[in-house]
Amino acid sequence: GQQVMQIPQYQHVQEGEDFTTYCNSSTTLSNIQWYKQRPGGHPVFLIQLVKSGEVKKQKRLTFQFGEAKKNSSLHITATQTTDVGTYFCAGHAGGSYIPTFGRGTSLIVHP
Amino acid sequence: DTAVSQTPKYLVTQMGNDKSIKCEQNLGHDTMYWYKQDSKKFLKIMFSYNNKELIINETVPNRFSPKSPDKAHLNLHINSLELGDSAVYFCASSRIDSPSYNEQFFGPGTRLTVL
Repeated sequence: GQQVMQIPQYQHVQEGEDFTTYCNSSTTLSNIQWYKQRPGGHPVFLIQLVKSGEVKKQKRLTFQFGEAKKNSSLHITATQTTDVGTYFCAGHAGGSYIPTFGRGTSLIVHP
Repeated sequence: DTAVSQTPKYLVTQMGNDKSIKCEQNLGHDTMYWYKQDSKKFLKIMFSYNNKELIINETVPNRFSPKSPDKAHLNLHINSLELGDSAVYFCASSRIDSPSYNEQFFGPGTRLTVL
């Protein structure tokens, strides 16, 4: 079945440093979504990428979808303590409406 | 207004008991889901359900059963609870649009502790 690998599992950074998490799918995706889960909270949708090579920005967050639509990344510039949480990618493959979630990357920002 | 709500927020119970978690969404979505999140944050989909089909993750024990009285509700019933069932359970909903699928809206979660 489809697998979505996400690395790293954890990332410690000093406030102000950049952060990147990567997702790789075993199959070509129709789209990929990114979610953020704050400690003690629930996953919250951030963005969806659909097109090959697509790049989207939300303030300090940059999301990319690979040309082959099998990988994606989320990059945060100049992290802040409010960025703390676990970031999940979730991919849809073929005609399935059921997403496959990556295992998440937990970001810890040290002030 | 809460989009996806779950009750209870916390559930502590003994092994062997039967329990239910309720979920309601007021977004008019046609598809609802249950996820289990373990202590390592892994989000495992358990069920997805819309008015046409119930899709069950084959790794989910048959002690778990979803019950949907209507489109806005998808409850989770668990029989004969085991220690390994301790986790946070999230309900979610979405609208299915092809070819791009809309975002999933998650409920606040139910932390289940089995003693």
